[in-house]
Amino acid sequence: NAGVTQTPKFQVLKTGQSMTLQCAQDMNHNSMYWYRQDPGMGLRLIYYSASEGTTDKGEVPNGYNVSRLNKREFSLRLESAAPSQTSVYFCASRVTGTDTQYFGPGTRLTVL
Amino acid sequence: GESVGLHLPTLSVQEGDNSIINCAYSNSASDYFIWYKQESGKGPQFIIDIRSNMDKRQGQRVTVLLNKTVKHLSLQIAATQPGDSAVYFCAEIIRAAGNKLTFGGGTRVLVKP
Repeated sequence: NAGVTQTPKFQVLKTGQSMTLQCAQDMNHNSMYWYRQDPGMGLRLIYYSASEGTTDKGEVPNGYNVSRLNKREFSLRLESAAPSQTSVYFCASRVTGTDTQYFGPGTRLTVL
Repeated sequence: GESVGLHLPTLSVQEGDNSIINCAYSNSASDYFIWYKQESGKGPQFIIDIRSNMDKRQGQRVTVLLNKTVKHLSLQIAATQPGDSAVYFCAEIIRAAGNKLTFGGGTRVLVKP
């Protein structure tokens, strides 16, 4: 199993540009999550998907949209990137029936 | 705002010594706690978890202690090794709040040879 994979690993955008961060898991997990991590801080939840076809807002959803394309894939979209969205973005999935989340390697995004 | 952690202190440890990493939480309704390890450039990696009805749980070289009276969580690493150098985060889950994971700010552990 590859676990949780994310693409791209690095991205630089100009203010106002849009992009989609991709996440996929091959562990047959129902729940998937998007977090952002800023320097010196813990991870903050942006959006999550408890199951295929459902999505819900987390702590910091403004400026983002998500799509749960199928059970494997959960994408995060920035429609009009802002410098405040410069961060490292992590995708995670949760083992069904437990509380443990497993994380991908992250995408480092810089918005100029 | 965050109810767990908030600061990113640094703990310097001599190789072979034991490490103790502390975490304070504020929500007495928390049901479940997890410790994660994050190495530079990587995603958080699950280390050990503990449910709120437990006081102690042991894993391989790691022990988590939970003191609900003072809302305090600690991670003890025995015989710290260079590979233990990382940032360690505690996180809590409140099932009544939708099972969302809330992270603290983390502690950086530096292992000196």
